[in-house]
Amino acid sequence: EVQLLESGGGLVQPGGALRLSCAASGFTFSSYAMGWVRQAPGKGLEWVSHISESGGSASHADSVKGRFTTSRDNSNNTLYLQMNSLRAEDTAVYYCARSSSWYFQHWGQGTLVTVSS
Amino acid sequence: EIVLTQSPATLSSSPGERVTLSCRASQSVISYLAWYQQKPGQAPRLLIYDASNRATGIPARFSGSGSGTDFTLTISGLEPEDFAVYYCQHRNHWPLTFGGGTKVEIK
Repeated sequence: EVQLLESGGGLVQPGGALRLSCAASGFTFSSYAMGWVRQAPGKGLEWVSHISESGGSASHADSVKGRFTTSRDNSNNTLYLQMNSLRAEDTAVYYCARSSSWYFQHWGQGTLVTVSS
Repeated sequence: EIVLTQSPATLSSSPGERVTLSCRASQSVISYLAWYQQKPGQAPRLLIYDASNRATGIPARFSGSGSGTDFTLTISGLEPEDFAVYYCQHRNHWPLTFGGGTKVEIK
């Protein structure tokens, strides 16, 4: 069974940093591209980033470009999202998801990031 | 950036009815469009990919159609568990974008 477990969310001040992790199990992690999608409270879904199977290629939404970095450790089956210079508008539940042809086939349960002073 | 506009924002319907949700793209996405279902407090679930292909385990009452800029998701015979929010998403090029969602609520 595919399992994705996000961690690392919490309360952070504006301008601060946070690193999210997503532990994957139940499939061959290195064979799949992965992504992050977020959802602000009471709002819709927003794509954040997508990373290739090897980690050699990553794309980010304009809203986070230059502030967020997506990486992966295929030896430890873990996906990361490094978030710097956080803003109030980054407050959201962050989901990691397994990508299949740039659609999101399997999702974790999400981790809440709150940016507030 | 491709903007996906979903309509209606809210759809009130009764169990057993057939409903049709719309997703319109600001430019052609060919057939590279997916539909997701999200229930309160849960992660989204992939229903349809490439406009008309049901994902694994998705019941046959869910069907998708369309190409270019106009797409529909049809639920033939609403079940109680189908009351949820539905999102479309394209994968034609970066950035990937989602529509704003359609909430299907009980009338």
